[in-house]
Amino acid sequence: GENVEQHPSTLSVQEGDSAVIKCTYSDSASNYFPWYKQELGKRPQLIIDIRSNVGEKKDQRIAVTLNKTAKHFSLHITETQPEDSAVYFCAASKGGGAAGNKLTFGGGTRVLVKP
Amino acid sequence: GAGVSQTPSNKVTEKGKYVELRCDPISGHTALYWYRQSLGQGPEFLIYFQGTGAADDSGLPNDRFFAVRPEGSVSTLKIQRTERGDSAVYLCASSSSSERTGELFFGEGSRLTVL
Repeated sequence: GENVEQHPSTLSVQEGDSAVIKCTYSDSASNYFPWYKQELGKRPQLIIDIRSNVGEKKDQRIAVTLNKTAKHFSLHITETQPEDSAVYFCAASKGGGAAGNKLTFGGGTRVLVKP
Repeated sequence: GAGVSQTPSNKVTEKGKYVELRCDPISGHTALYWYRQSLGQGPEFLIYFQGTGAADDSGLPNDRFFAVRPEGSVSTLKIQRTERGDSAVYLCASSSSSERTGELFFGEGSRLTVL
C-alpha cells in the first residue's frame, strides 16, 4: 500500500520567516495530495490540496508544489504568524469523487512560530 | 448538523471491556471514514463506508474491531475486549461523492483510554 514520509518532525521558525515541510510518497498511482492543519486537541482541517495534473498551487501565504517524477510534494508557508503554530499533516490518495478518498497520512510536522 | 459529530468525546474503560464510538456525518455525505490517531502520529486509516456498505476495511487491526453504518448515515465503531494498545483518538470523517475533490471533513474525535 501507500507509504507517506514527512520531514521534519518539528520546525521552529521566527515570526515572518518561511516554513517548508516536505513529503514523499511511494505509490505512483496517487493523484490527490491534501495538507491538513491540526491545532492541539482539535480536528484536522484542510488548508490546501493539489491534484497530480498541477505542479503548483497557491492560496495567500501558503503554497504547495508537486513533483510527480520524484514522488514528492512540499508545503510552503510565507510570512509566518504565531497562529500558524500547529501540527501539519500531508496525505496522499488515489481516489476522490464517487470512488472515495482513502487518505494515507504522513507522521506530521509540529510547527512553532516564535514571536 | 453543521459538521461531523462524534460521541463520546472521551471514554475511559478497563482492559477487556467493550466500547462503542459513534459518528454522525455531515448531512448528505455518502462517504464515511474512521481513522485512529495515536499520540504524536498521523491519522491511520481503519475503514471506509460508501453508503451502508464497507467499501474498504483493510485498516482494521484485528477482528476485535468492527464498524457498521446500517442506514447510510450514523456509524458506530465497536471494539471488543479492549487492550491498552487501543488507547488513541478515534477520528471520523465524511465526504461528498458529488464533489470533485472529495475533501474529508473530520470530527473532533473520541479519545479512548484503556486502563
